[in-house]
Amino acid sequence: DTEVTQTPKHLVMGMTNKKSLKCEQHMGHRAMYWYKQKAKKPPELMFVYSYEKLSINESVPSRFSPECPNSSLLNLHLHALQPEDSALYLCASSQQGGKLFFGSGTQLSVL
Amino acid sequence: QKEVEQDPGPLSVPEGAIVSLNCTYSNSAFQYFMWYRQYSRKGPELLMYTYSSGNKEDGRFTAQVDKSSKYISLFIRDSQPSDSATYLCAIRISNFGNEKLTFGTGTRLTIIP
Repeated sequence: DTEVTQTPKHLVMGMTNKKSLKCEQHMGHRAMYWYKQKAKKPPELMFVYSYEKLSINESVPSRFSPECPNSSLLNLHLHALQPEDSALYLCASSQQGGKLFFGSGTQLSVL
Repeated sequence: QKEVEQDPGPLSVPEGAIVSLNCTYSNSAFQYFMWYRQYSRKGPELLMYTYSSGNKEDGRFTAQVDKSSKYISLFIRDSQPSDSATYLCAIRISNFGNEKLTFGTGTRLTIIP
């Protein structure tokens, strides 16, 4: 099983809303990632968690707040987003130094 | 100069043709090489993974790595309409604590029935 599950699949939110994206994997992977992907562009790394600790933050604005409650779960909390934050948000996981597996993503629209 | 260069296409070929997709990279420290397929509005799906120079085959797909030339390729034999997607090369330096994956810009491929 190489499945990374993301919920919700689609999300529409206003600029004053607070929402959360969720990601789950049961492959025993100890590294988990958030990527952002705009149309016709490659994924851009946002955050990396390694052994449940934040190891990389690619200078992401504070309106995006990641959380790793345990080794299987990864959340991305959203607050006061801007319309330009509309994108496909992808979660991924890997063994240390290994293959990266992506979820199907959450298509986010900010109005 | 970008770390990873990939021809964005679009590329259209007839069904049954052999497809060649290519990336070049500039950093000789890159160690791990991947190819992903991405359908519209879906997450990337890992197709091939290799860490050594040479060829790796999986069904209709062959990944080729030439570290001396800093050049990687993905070949698709007997292409099918279901292969129509965007293909992304991805390369990684696997240092301790650094899990960053560097993507090419992606090549849009259309297989014409």
